[in-house]
Amino acid sequence: IVLTQSPGTLSLSPGERATLSCRASQPVSNNYLAWYQQKPGQAPRLLIYDASGRATGVPDRFSGSGSGTDFTLTISRLEPEDFAVYYCQQYGSSYTFGQGTKLEIK
Amino acid sequence: QVQLVQSGAEVKKPGASVKVSCKTSGFSFSNYFMHWVRQAPGQGLEWMGIIDLGGGSTRYAQKFQGRVTMTRDTSTTTVYMELSRLRSEDTAVYYCARVRSLRRAFDMWGQGTMVTVSS
Repeated sequence: IVLTQSPGTLSLSPGERATLSCRASQPVSNNYLAWYQQKPGQAPRLLIYDASGRATGVPDRFSGSGSGTDFTLTISRLEPEDFAVYYCQQYGSSYTFGQGTKLEIK
Repeated sequence: QVQLVQSGAEVKKPGASVKVSCKTSGFSFSNYFMHWVRQAPGQGLEWMGIIDLGGGSTRYAQKFQGRVTMTRDTSTTTVYMELSRLRSEDTAVYYCARVRSLRRAFDMWGQGTMVTVSS
């Protein structure tokens, strides 16, 4: 399964709402879709699992939605620490990652 | 607390092998699986394979079949990933990542190990 993330880069200001998209080349089994955040020099951090479950310790401004082939990560109000690269991943049929969306400060 | 501590950076020549370790603590080792994921400089994440920490069975991404070997040592709760016949394109940060079962997101990651392949 190929995952395509859009946009490649998203330029927003703190306080704004961010919407990141992940589209799969075929339906993701059981919506086994995760979102990760990665900051420079750090390992990825799990944010969302099973398309909409929030991982432990993740602020509630992060939410995931979608099913089948179309998934979305929404950050309701951007904080300065949210500017990073975000990856989607499917784990329903083997394991693949999207190419990432860079969220940068406008 | 749960910890995955990886071995230090490596520099290797083309054609050589590298073995990266992932020392675990804070969880019931044999009840989990461990993935290996790599990230070339400035690039995205690439899944390499998975090992069952209980039984030791493995499954590798087709791209790495024949070049990668994942093992574990239950006595030291350490997981290993060995990549052979290295080429410059293998220069990357290599991560271990723990999961409770095959159909779970990767909830805990090691800090990463930089492997540089250069003549």
